[in-house]
Amino acid sequence: GESVGLHLPTLSVQEGDNSIINCAYSNSASDYFIWYKQESGKGPQFIIDIRSNMDKRQGQRVTVLLNKTVKHLSLQIAATQPGDSAVYFCAERAAGGGNKLTFGTGTQLKVEL
Amino acid sequence: GAGVSQTPSNKVTEKGKYVELRCDPISGHTALYWYRQSLGQGPEFLIYFQGTGAADDSGLPNDRFFAVRPEGSVSTLKIQRTERGDSAVYLCASSPRSVSSGANVLTFGAGSRLTVL
Repeated sequence: GESVGLHLPTLSVQEGDNSIINCAYSNSASDYFIWYKQESGKGPQFIIDIRSNMDKRQGQRVTVLLNKTVKHLSLQIAATQPGDSAVYFCAERAAGGGNKLTFGTGTQLKVEL
Repeated sequence: GAGVSQTPSNKVTEKGKYVELRCDPISGHTALYWYRQSLGQGPEFLIYFQGTGAADDSGLPNDRFFAVRPEGSVSTLKIQRTERGDSAVYLCASSPRSVSSGANVLTFGAGSRLTVL
């Protein structure tokens, strides 16, 4: 069968460096975006969210940037640590789309010591 | 409990069999969601409950899939006549309110890994 999706995009960074994970979303009507982190064998874990009326939001060591013009979302992780190694997903909610979150395919972040 | 609990964590079954997957959400969370995650992909929405009722079941792939939440707490995802293509991790999430009511964080369980031989 087709193996689409088995090879996740991978980002390798050195411990202590900053990481930038990118996401292109599909629906220009989406009004809310979330980044999730998923470690092997676990469910997705909330990191940070942003509404469409904002273009930047900061958390602890993480920043999310939203560019609605080009439908692009990014997650910046400062001073990346080994514990940040995981798969990162962006998710979007369509305005008026009820309660569905649509997830992207994910990016594998590997932190090298 | 402290988090979303899903059982079983792993289920291996044979093609054609019936399967039930259980989700115990965070106490007091009125909204409950089921997602399915195939290897190397992001979670895909299946169904959403607000209280006891299925408010949106548009993600269920076909009529072999059904979910209930009779008392507004625990939910069961039921799959009839399982097929090999049903193999995936089935994730449950809960939140205090619905996603559409505002910024809201879904808390996910660890998932139930279903393998259909």
